[in-house]
Amino acid sequence: AQTVTQSQPEMSVQEAETVTLSCTYDTSESDYYLFWYKQPPSRQMILVIRQEAYKQQNATENRFSVNFQKAAKSFSLKISDSQLGDAAMYFCAYNHVNTGNQFYFGTGTSLTVIP
Amino acid sequence: EPEVTQTPSHQVTQMGQEVILRCVPISNHLYFYWYRQILGQKVEFLVSFYNNEISEKSEIFDDQFSVERPDGSNFTLKIRSTKLEDSAMYFCASSGGPFNEQFFGPGTRLTVL
Repeated sequence: AQTVTQSQPEMSVQEAETVTLSCTYDTSESDYYLFWYKQPPSRQMILVIRQEAYKQQNATENRFSVNFQKAAKSFSLKISDSQLGDAAMYFCAYNHVNTGNQFYFGTGTSLTVIP
Repeated sequence: EPEVTQTPSHQVTQMGQEVILRCVPISNHLYFYWYRQILGQKVEFLVSFYNNEISEKSEIFDDQFSVERPDGSNFTLKIRSTKLEDSAMYFCASSGGPFNEQFFGPGTRLTVL
């Protein structure tokens, strides 16, 4: 069974500093997709970054980057130069063809950015 | 920028009543989904829908639940006889293809009394 674990319910970071959010997952598949979604307060989830498991290169999207360790089944999100607008709930998600395109989500990490 | 919309934003109902949650996916998307999030818990998959039929459903999606695309734009989730434990935030999502980014709506908060 696919499970996604986010072990940090809450994190905080000083504005302009860097923070890393952890995510681990369990799967027996070799080809799959991983996502980080951001959910600001009272707003919908939006995609932050996406990683295909067959790609060794870590995905990067401006100030957001991932550290994808396939053997360790780890997929952490690094936010550099944190901004006040980064404050949100962050969800890690897994997707694979045999799961019928459904996403498996972690429980989320609530990120606070301190001015 | 196109976005997924959901109505209502908050629905309060009595136990045993039927509710219909509505979603308007992004217009050129072909894959549609419903998820739910019980307060304080993870987002859970309910059902996926493609080509006018259910392509996958979870254990949560029992006979009390149904989905429909009644016209070219709406995608609905019906709960026939609501239970207290159905209280949750329900998210609709759509995507242009399998494994593509899923675009989420803002959610409908369902409260069953």
